[in-house]
Amino acid sequence: QKEVEQNSGPLSVPEGAIASLNCTYSDRGSQSFFWYRQYSGKSPELIMSIYSNGDKEDGRFTAQLNKASQYVSLLIRDSQPSDSATYLCAVTLTGTASKLTFGTGTRLQVTL
Amino acid sequence: KAGVTQTPRYLIKTRGQQVTLSCSPISGHRSVSWYQQTPGQGLQFLFEYFSETQRNKGNFPGRFSGRQFSNSRSEMNVSTLELGDSALYLCASSVGRGQGDTQYFGPGTRLTVL
Repeated sequence: QKEVEQNSGPLSVPEGAIASLNCTYSDRGSQSFFWYRQYSGKSPELIMSIYSNGDKEDGRFTAQLNKASQYVSLLIRDSQPSDSATYLCAVTLTGTASKLTFGTGTRLQVTL
Repeated sequence: KAGVTQTPRYLIKTRGQQVTLSCSPISGHRSVSWYQQTPGQGLQFLFEYFSETQRNKGNFPGRFSGRQFSNSRSEMNVSTLELGDSALYLCASSVGRGQGDTQYFGPGTRLTVL
């Protein structure tokens, strides 16, 4: 079992719709969770971080964390073509405070 | 604030050579982490430096090494290059408090080994 798992996609959603990206992790002791966006040929850029169970909203983005079920998700409301990118879930596993373990990423395509 | 900078942006080397990549963190950040990104393996952690000391290490062979200077700038070195070392090498900086630290990535160095 991979430490951090994501569906590779592509996930295709029409413009204006809600995109839902999911990530599961194997280490129950994980404490910090991050979502990064990566455009083709570019480096990852931080979208959100979340540390506590529940929802965290920032503009059109909402991160959801459920430690009991070991998943973290990212919702993108009012999806725009400029949101088309690969979304990377990153987790700090137990005892690896400053090391990010990444999922393989989900490619999102927002269609006109 | 200026972001994380990496030099050079592109490199072409041949097998057996060595290479040194440089990273300047965001001002005030004391931690620098290095990652390798390949299509097959995704993003993998190489190592992290904090206050000139390696604080964390990933599962890479000893050919991969790094160091950090007193101004927090960091370098990584790969010796005896192999074809499989072709990758995007990313540096990320953070404040350095450890758990929960947010890491900000530089633009990366694209290394091609021929």
